[in-house]
Amino acid sequence: GAGVSQSPSNKVTEKGKDVELRCDPISGHTALYWYRQSLGQGLEFLIYFQGNSAPDKSGLPSDRFSAERTGGSVSTLTIQRTQQEDSAVYLCASSLATGRSRETQYFGPGTRLLVL
Amino acid sequence: EDKVVQSPLSLVVHEGDTVTLNCSYEVTNFRSLLWYKQEKKAPTFLFMLTSSGIEKKSGRLSSILDKKELFSILNITATQTGDSAVYLCAGGVNDMRFGAGTRLTVKP
Repeated sequence: GAGVSQSPSNKVTEKGKDVELRCDPISGHTALYWYRQSLGQGLEFLIYFQGNSAPDKSGLPSDRFSAERTGGSVSTLTIQRTQQEDSAVYLCASSLATGRSRETQYFGPGTRLLVL
Repeated sequence: EDKVVQSPLSLVVHEGDTVTLNCSYEVTNFRSLLWYKQEKKAPTFLFMLTSSGIEKKSGRLSSILDKKELFSILNITATQTGDSAVYLCAGGVNDMRFGAGTRLTVKP
């Protein structure tokens, strides 16, 4: 595709429910990142996938958060037993992972999650 | 603890003004500093800086990195209303640490 796509664009859920957020990276990009941006805050790193390597999960805020990347392409971020503080925009980014272009990340439009 | 601090947090100027946005960083693992423009939800890439003292330019925007002082600036000359956005900087390697951003408002 032309860019990183995410779905849904908006999600409203009730506290305690599970949600799944999807990211389709740019074709050919082997690196994929999840971030979240709470209202008025900077971007917070969540998780990083690179090819077939074990993901860097160091940014996941709790064990309620998990992410998968199937076939080295599409990724799903799952939040279990959602809490109101999980409300944020969840952004996905992808990048080539070759040399200095590794860190040039291209972002998707995000999913705005509201937990009531 | 890694941190990226941007200043000012917000800035209001008039069209034609020149602005300088600041970004200081303390990041354990550092390779590059990135600048993004965020108008709605998704940031768009502006610059990637890896070496000190080399200015990168794109139209009215320019940026430079000082790896000794752990500092970067983003300059915008002859500002236009379309420059109104949140400008984010980030430093690191893979797990980039982002600042809170500078909200720039350019009034006609």
